[in-house]
Amino acid sequence: QKEVEQDPGPLSVPEGAIVSLNCTYSNSAFQYFMWYRQYSRKGPELLMYTYSSGNKEDGRFTAQVDKSSKYISLFIRDSQPSDSATYLCAMTPRAGNNRKLIWGLGTSLAVNP
Amino acid sequence: NAGVTQTPKFRILKIGQSMTLQCAQDMNHNYMYWYRQDPGMGLKLIYYSVGAGITDKGEVPNGYNVSRSTTEDFPLRLELAAPSQTSVYFCASGSRTSGSSEQFFGPGTRLTVL
Repeated sequence: QKEVEQDPGPLSVPEGAIVSLNCTYSNSAFQYFMWYRQYSRKGPELLMYTYSSGNKEDGRFTAQVDKSSKYISLFIRDSQPSDSATYLCAMTPRAGNNRKLIWGLGTSLAVNP
Repeated sequence: NAGVTQTPKFRILKIGQSMTLQCAQDMNHNYMYWYRQDPGMGLKLIYYSVGAGITDKGEVPNGYNVSRSTTEDFPLRLELAAPSQTSVYFCASGSRTSGSSEQFFGPGTRLTVL
C-alpha cells in the first residue's frame, strides 16, 4: 500500500462547478498537509497548506484535513478554466524528515467553459 | 529574486552519454531537492541536500550523482544515460525555518535519452 493515495482522474467539470479533490494516507505521523498546483509544462507551486486537522480557506479554495480518517480534501468553488491543472497533495511528519515530502500522484482537472 | 532556475530546458542525449543538469536558487535556502516526474508516476525524489557539503539519496538515486559545494547550486549528474532516464527533472528548494515545509520548484528540464 502506498503511503499516499490520490485518484489521478482525469476530472472534467463545467465552469462554475464545485470541485472536490482528495487524498488518503496511511502514516499517522503526518502533520503538515499541502496542495500543490501544477500547470502543464511547469513546476508545481504551493496552493494551500494546513497543519494538523481542520479547515483552511483562501478565496475560492478550502483545504480540509481529517486526521481520524487519514483523509485530506481540496475544494474549489466557482471553478474557472484557469483552474485547469494537475493538483498534487503532499504531506510530511512534524520533524526529523529533512523537509522531505511524500507526494500523491496528482489529479488532472479540466474546467470547461 | 529569480527563485529556482534550471538549465537546460530541453536536452536529447544518446545512450551512454553523460550530462549535468544545473540548478540554482537565490533564496538562501538550506534544503534542495531533485525530483523526476514521469507520466502517471508522480514526483520521485532522486537526491536531496540539507546544506552545503551534505547530500543524501532519495527514492530513485541509481544512475545519478549530486554535489553541493555552495548553498546556491545543486547540480545533478547523469552518467551513462539510459532510456529509462527519459523524464522531466525538477529541482526544488526549501527553507529550514519555513513553518509550512514549502518547496519552491524550478521550471524543469525535459530530458530524452535515445
